[in-house]
Amino acid sequence: DQQVKQNSPSLSVQEGRISILNCDYTNSMFDYFLWYKKYPAEGPTFLISISSIKDKNEDGRFTVFLNKSAKHLSLHIVPSQPGDSAVYFCAARKDDYKLSFGAGTTVTVRA
Amino acid sequence: SAVISQKPSRDICQRGTSLTIQCQVDSQVTMMFWYRQQPGQSLTLIATANQGSEATYESGFVIDKFPISRPNLTFSTLTVSNMSPEDSSIYLCSVDQGGVNSYEQYFGPGTRLTVT
Repeated sequence: DQQVKQNSPSLSVQEGRISILNCDYTNSMFDYFLWYKKYPAEGPTFLISISSIKDKNEDGRFTVFLNKSAKHLSLHIVPSQPGDSAVYFCAARKDDYKLSFGAGTTVTVRA
Repeated sequence: SAVISQKPSRDICQRGTSLTIQCQVDSQVTMMFWYRQQPGQSLTLIATANQGSEATYESGFVIDKFPISRPNLTFSTLTVSNMSPEDSSIYLCSVDQGGVNSYEQYFGPGTRLTVT
């Protein structure tokens, strides 16, 4: 049962433009949502998280928006840079600290 | 953030053998986890490594296949036993580390296992 879904397997964006990655979830018991970036042959790198009691969290070029009623969150990267090309995973946590991951979205930033 | 190292970084093993993966953290952490990423797939939680007690396994994973040790708050091992080609994956440990108003969980670099 996939509780966290990333329905776009890939995204291509021009350098300098905005990248928008989407994630949907089904379990209303999730209390935190996290985004990770992963390069091949490396472990996931934590980017940003948001509590379920907030609707927005911003950290530099990264902003995460949460729409709790729609069970939807998105990650905005502005401006996109070539080094942002990677696989991005959305993850959700319940109070037991265990993470459930989406399938990932491969982002390619074009020069 | 915590600095996490894993050994080995990669290995090629023959079926029927076992491999023990080590995870070392540079600071004491409460929670440590082991995940698996099969080729082309997302990350799946194997188990929670509990300090001083038996690990807690997720559905589909059993102690006989994936024995875990956690002797202290900075170190854990995962053994992949009696390996088959289906065990070829990246194995990752993670630790929880949260601030007052945020939550963060960090991952090690992973161990890439190929079973032939």
